[in-house]
Amino acid sequence: QKEVEQDPGPLSVPEGAIVSLNCTYSNSAFQYFMWYRQYSRKGPELLMYTYSSGNKEDGRFTAQVDKSSKYISLFIRDSQPSDSATYLCAMIYTGANSKLTFGKGITLSVRP
Amino acid sequence: DTEVTQTPKHLVMGMTNKKSLKCEQHMGHRAMYWYKQKAKKPPELMFVYSYEKLSINESVPSRFSPECPNSSLLNLHLHALQPEDSALYLCASSQDPSGQGSGFYNEQFFGPGTRLTVL
Repeated sequence: QKEVEQDPGPLSVPEGAIVSLNCTYSNSAFQYFMWYRQYSRKGPELLMYTYSSGNKEDGRFTAQVDKSSKYISLFIRDSQPSDSATYLCAMIYTGANSKLTFGKGITLSVRP
Repeated sequence: DTEVTQTPKHLVMGMTNKKSLKCEQHMGHRAMYWYKQKAKKPPELMFVYSYEKLSINESVPSRFSPECPNSSLLNLHLHALQPEDSALYLCASSQDPSGQGSGFYNEQFFGPGTRLTVL
């Protein structure tokens, strides 16, 4: 079992839809959780960063963490064509030589 | 300034060439990273520098040679690369609030990458 599993894609939704992106993880030592957005041929852009169970909202984006179920989600409200990108979940634990562990990424397409 | 910059944006090199990739950040971050990303895959960690010292080398071939001349700059020297080394090379940086060189748990900010093609 991989440490981080991300729902496979691709995902295509109409403009205005609510999008739910999900990752599960097996290592309970992970404490910090991130969502990155990556446009084609660009570097990943940090969207959300959380470290506690619960919800964190930033504009149209909500990151949800459930440490008891080892499950994280990113919700995008009122999705726009400009949200079309690859979304990567990532997580890390505190400690020497800890490394950011990524999910495989999911490609989202928002149709006008 | 919350930006990580990388130069060049694109690089084409032959297998016998020597070239360097450069990365710069002015966020006061003391951890800097090199990642390699192939198409439709997540980034793979190559090297980590903490307080200008190499702290992680993910068994990267010696044809890749990192260098951290100061707290704002990170270089990746390339020599005798293979065509399979063609990829997007990403630099990232993060804070170390512990001040002890072990704080890799803060969010990492990535640069735009250098797209490398080895002929």
